[in-house]
Amino acid sequence: AQSVTQLDSHVSVSEGTPVLLRCNYSSSYSPSLFWYVQHPNKGLQLLLKYTSAATLVKGINGFEAEFKKSETSFHLTKPSAHMSDAAEYFCVVSDQTTSYDKVIFGPGTSLSVIP
Amino acid sequence: SAVISQKPSRDICQRGTSLTIQCQVDSQVTMMFWYRQQPGQSLTLIATANQGSEATYESGFVIDKFPISRPNLTFSTLTVSNMSPEDSSIYLCSGRDRTQETQYFGPGTRLLVL
Repeated sequence: AQSVTQLDSHVSVSEGTPVLLRCNYSSSYSPSLFWYVQHPNKGLQLLLKYTSAATLVKGINGFEAEFKKSETSFHLTKPSAHMSDAAEYFCVVSDQTTSYDKVIFGPGTSLSVIP
Repeated sequence: SAVISQKPSRDICQRGTSLTIQCQVDSQVTMMFWYRQQPGQSLTLIATANQGSEATYESGFVIDKFPISRPNLTFSTLTVSNMSPEDSSIYLCSGRDRTQETQYFGPGTRLLVL
């Protein structure tokens, strides 16, 4: 069965420093992986996705993630944090067991950015 | 990307009553889903809304409590029935765009049950 682990429930960084949000997945098949962001009192926005093409995926707002099959990881990074990056981040997986139609959400990581 | 709208955006309801949430998607979407996000929690899938037939519910969710309709490709409703304070959550509609292999989400409906 599919599952997602986000290793940190909360991450705090200073503005201008790098961001690393960790995600590990479990899937019996070739997965599709996504990162979504949810700002306070806002809806979910897709940051980036991996669907079996290039393993290094670039997304919006300077975020990127690397798919590492050997480590079953899909960590999200950004070189320099901005105050507007403070939000909840969800790592999401889908695979062939559900024809890639259903997705499973991780528990989320809350990112705080300190001025 | 797909455009998804929901209404109402928020509501405060009394226990024992029911609320129907509407979701409208644009034509890019093939599959539609309903999720619940309890306070401070992640998203949990309630059901897949099937066009013209009964929805497919996930474990722990039943039709009597969460009846769902999808009369056509672009519209679905979720009813939260006989509400209790434990139903206070954000309810989100999503649509899957198969051409982009991606799910897009509506803005959510924030429900508070007193």
